[in-house]
Amino acid sequence: AQSVTQLDSQVPVFEEAPVELRCNYSSSVSVYLFWYVQYPNQGLQLLLKYLSGSTLVESINGFEAEFNKSQTSFHLRKPSVHISDTAEYFCAVSVGNFGNEKLTFGTGTRLTIIP
Amino acid sequence: DVKVTQSSRYLVKRTGEKVFLECVQDMDHENMFWYRQDPGLGLRLIYFSYDVKMKEKGDIPEGYSVSREKKERFSLILESASTNQTSMYLCASSLGGRGANVLTFGAGSRLTVL
Repeated sequence: AQSVTQLDSQVPVFEEAPVELRCNYSSSVSVYLFWYVQYPNQGLQLLLKYLSGSTLVESINGFEAEFNKSQTSFHLRKPSVHISDTAEYFCAVSVGNFGNEKLTFGTGTRLTIIP
Repeated sequence: DVKVTQSSRYLVKRTGEKVFLECVQDMDHENMFWYRQDPGLGLRLIYFSYDVKMKEKGDIPEGYSVSREKKERFSLILESASTNQTSMYLCASSLGGRGANVLTFGAGSRLTVL
């Protein structure tokens, strides 16, 4: 069975500073990887995903994540954060050829932006 | 845009009550899911369904059941609510079929059991 580890439960960052949210997964087969974001008092929404191809994937709001198979990691980065990035971020993994019928989520990282 | 609508944002129930959480999606998605979200534990899968009248247990099905009589509706049932079922419940749906499909989530139902 697959599992996801997000080591940092909370990450405070000053506005305009860079940030990295770490995600490691364990799986014996090929995986699909996702980052979801949950803004205050809202449901989760997809931020970005890795399915195949280029190991570097980007979101429309400046986040990027790199799939590293040898380190089984999918860390999320942004070079300069904004107050509006304050949210909880969840890494997730699914396995197999039939899509994300069973997404396994990490425990989440709460990103707090300090003005 | 796909919409996943959870009928109740906030519910307060008493121990032993039967609780229904309703979820409706409007884009003909095959797959539907119920997760619960707890601080420090992330999201844990309770039940999911690939098709009408089909259901499969997730990681924490104990104390819950589900019903999917119509494709667009997936209900989570707590037969006898207990205080340890106080949580945020998230419904999600996805297209289905081969390939990786993105989950679309509802806004959540926060259940408090007294």
